[in-house]
Amino acid sequence: AQSVTQLDSHVSVSEGTPVLLRCNYSSSYSPSLFWYVQHPNKGLQLLLKYTSAATLVKGINGFEAEFKKSETSFHLTKPSAHMSDAAEYFCVVSGGNQGGKLIFGQGTELSVKP
Amino acid sequence: ETGVTQSPTHLIKTRGQQVTLRCSSQSGHNTVSWYQQALGQGPQFIFQYYREEENGRGNFPPRFSGLQFPNYSSELNVNALELDDSALYLCASSDYNEQFFGPGTRLTVL
Repeated sequence: AQSVTQLDSHVSVSEGTPVLLRCNYSSSYSPSLFWYVQHPNKGLQLLLKYTSAATLVKGINGFEAEFKKSETSFHLTKPSAHMSDAAEYFCVVSGGNQGGKLIFGQGTELSVKP
Repeated sequence: ETGVTQSPTHLIKTRGQQVTLRCSSQSGHNTVSWYQQALGQGPQFIFQYYREEENGRGNFPPRFSGLQFPNYSSELNVNALELDDSALYLCASSDYNEQFFGPGTRLTVL
């Protein structure tokens, strides 16, 4: 069975400092992994996706994530946080082909202090 | 904006009632998935429809049912509502590469 574990339920950073949101995955085969962001009262937006190509994946708004098979991790990073980054972030693994079932982590709430 | 729309935005029902939620998929997408997001949780997969046929189901009871229409829009029906059904219901339409989510319907069961 596939699953993801987000290691922090809440992360707080100061504006301009780096962001690190941690995610570990479990999969019986080579997974497709995603990070989604959810702003209050808005739908989920795809930040980036890993699909067995380059292990360092660049996404929108300056976010990137690195797939590390040996550590079964897919941590999300950003060099410099902006106030607009405050939101809920979900690490997601695909349950089959990319159009299939998505399995979400519990979410990490990112707060950005001025 | 993803082009996926859902209606209604909010809904209040009482226990035992039935509810129908609607989703219009993005143009060109023939696959629609439904997810339930309880407060403070990640979304959970309910089921997926591909070309009007159910194409996978999560761990939800049969009182959760769905339809997909020839124009690929979709409905989620929930019978015999329970208090725990209170949640944000998200619809996603997809091409092969990505699922595009709508803004959701907030269902409150009293």
